[in-house]
Amino acid sequence: DVKVTQSSRYLVKRTGEKVFLECVQDMDHENMFWYRQDPGLGLRLIYFSYDVKMKEKGDIPEGYSVSREKKERFSLILESASTNQTSMYLCASSPPTDTYQPQHFGDGTRLSIL
Amino acid sequence: DQQVKQNSPSLSVQEGRISILNCDYTNSMFDYFLWYKKYPAEGPTFLISISSIKDKNEDGRFTVFLNKSAKHLSLHIVPSQPGDSAVYFCAASIYNTDKLIFGTGTRLQVFP
Repeated sequence: DVKVTQSSRYLVKRTGEKVFLECVQDMDHENMFWYRQDPGLGLRLIYFSYDVKMKEKGDIPEGYSVSREKKERFSLILESASTNQTSMYLCASSPPTDTYQPQHFGDGTRLSIL
Repeated sequence: DQQVKQNSPSLSVQEGRISILNCDYTNSMFDYFLWYKKYPAEGPTFLISISSIKDKNEDGRFTVFLNKSAKHLSLHIVPSQPGDSAVYFCAASIYNTDKLIFGTGTRLQVFP
């Protein structure tokens, strides 16, 4: 079974802090993704990476950056946290799309910015 | 611009009956469609998928139907069980783009 592990289930930070969300997958997947989920808005893609040190912006990258130094680990960084970044953050991984494989998700990090 | 739409935010069904969740899309380039189920405080779990070369895919109690001309897909759950109560997301992708576009979700409640 694919295992995607997010380092924290719940996190509370203050406005202006630099916040790191970590994600590790154990299936040697090339692709990794960061989403945020908000009520009524579904899952929105923040950033994704299709290889080590490679990244692409998703639909809502503003205020975020990412890092992928190793294939199994993908980090999401909130450079200066703001209250509108309070959300559920979900990490996912998948093989390349030409294999028509689904993305597998971690259990999420509920982040509150005070 | 919502390319994948789930117009029903919620659905309530009696145990044992059929649940039908609907999803519409606007981009005719989508060729792979998925349904995910999500319980509170957990990540989405992959449920079932269909490629555009098919119009139906079945897995146990779950069947996904694809109507390409109408740009519509639906998920049928028969019979519905209380454990099916969750939020269901449909998603779509274009071959070789690696990205999924998600709908806004439908909350299904199955009552005894």
